[in-house]
Amino acid sequence: DAKTTQPNSMESNEEEPVHLPCNHSTISGTDYIHWYRQLPSQGPEYVIHGLTSNVNNRMASLAIAEDRKSSTLILHRATLRDAAVYYCILNTGKLIFGQGTTLQVKP
Amino acid sequence: DTAVSQTPKYLVTQMGNDKSIKCEQNLGHDTMYWYKQDSKKFLKIMFSYNNKELIINETVPNRFSPKSPDKAHLNLHINSLELGDSAVYFCASSQGAGDTGELFFGEGSRLTVL
Repeated sequence: DAKTTQPNSMESNEEEPVHLPCNHSTISGTDYIHWYRQLPSQGPEYVIHGLTSNVNNRMASLAIAEDRKSSTLILHRATLRDAAVYYCILNTGKLIFGQGTTLQVKP
Repeated sequence: DTAVSQTPKYLVTQMGNDKSIKCEQNLGHDTMYWYKQDSKKFLKIMFSYNNKELIINETVPNRFSPKSPDKAHLNLHINSLELGDSAVYFCASSQGAGDTGELFFGEGSRLTVL
């Protein structure tokens, strides 16, 4: 299965931007890059996904490297409610979750 | 109105018992899934059904049997429960086979086997 590598944890200050990196060097041409997050005691929640071009939505932005071997999820202004585990996933027809990055947001 | 709902939310039972977890989605999606999240927080896909047909079965013991009576429901029945089955089980749904679209997850069902 295609794999992703993320830092185990990151910290951010409230109202500052957060850049969550993800490496996926074994990505194939048809694999979509998906990001989900899981707040404490809740199910995972879709954040954003993309294939080649950078993507923006109301929650975040996704910057995809030109060679597609890495991507970065950007939260433009972190809030305390953004504290969660963020999963970067290659969608090969099914979503295989890794260990994700635990984001802590400090007030 | 909850999009993906699971029942029960909590389930405590003894080893060897048989139990079921139910899942319903009101999103009109074609595909439903079961994921297991263990104590180390890893989320693993177990099964996926598309229009009531099994399309993903990830090396899950035969004691686990999913059943999809219609495309809005996917239930999980577990026979002869073992301690290692203790986990949070998440149901999810998507439009299509999930290859590009987003998955909508339920809130999870925490199973504790004593």
